[in-house]
Amino acid sequence: EAAVTQSPRSKVAVTGGKVTLSCHQTNNHDYMYWYRQDTGHGLRLIHYSYVADSTEKGDIPDGYKASRPSQENFSLILELASLSQTAVYFCASSDWGGYTGQLYFGEGSKLTVL
Amino acid sequence: GEQVEQLPSILRVQEGSSASINCSYEDSASNYFPWYKQEPGENPKLIIDIRSNMERKQIQELIVLLDKKAKRFSLHITDTQPGDSAMYFCAADGNEKITFGAGTKLTIKP
Repeated sequence: EAAVTQSPRSKVAVTGGKVTLSCHQTNNHDYMYWYRQDTGHGLRLIHYSYVADSTEKGDIPDGYKASRPSQENFSLILELASLSQTAVYFCASSDWGGYTGQLYFGEGSKLTVL
Repeated sequence: GEQVEQLPSILRVQEGSSASINCSYEDSASNYFPWYKQEPGENPKLIIDIRSNMERKQIQELIVLLDKKAKRFSLHITDTQPGDSAMYFCAADGNEKITFGAGTKLTIKP
């Protein structure tokens, strides 16, 4: 079964601090995604990537950067964390980039910004 | 980009009855419509999907209907059980990325 692992699973950050969320997949998938989920809301796409060393903006990229140094790894970077970025972040990978491709999600990273 | 509307946001049904969730989308180019189930504290998992060349798909108690002309699709869970209580998300693909609806919290009453 597809395996996507995220770290850290939980983090408390201070406003204005830098936060890096990491994601590692062992599925040999080309596509990787970062979504955020707020309580009672759906999943909103922040950034995605279909090849190493390249990232694309999703629907809510402001305040976030992404890095894909290799096919297996995809990071989400908050340079200046803000209270509004408190959420659960999910990384996902897929074979087909959305064209009939199943998303395999990691376990999520709960970020609390104080 | 694609927009997906999902209703209702909260749904409570009696055990053994049917539950229906409706979604609509905007981009006529979307051709893949998955449904994900998320249990509390867990990650979302794919439960059923349908492609634009189909109108209906069934996997056990799950039925998905797609009306491309109306840009609507729906999930129907027949003979609901307590284990069906969860958050459900519809989604539509649109040019390399999948856009999700806001979710439906389904509660099965004993």
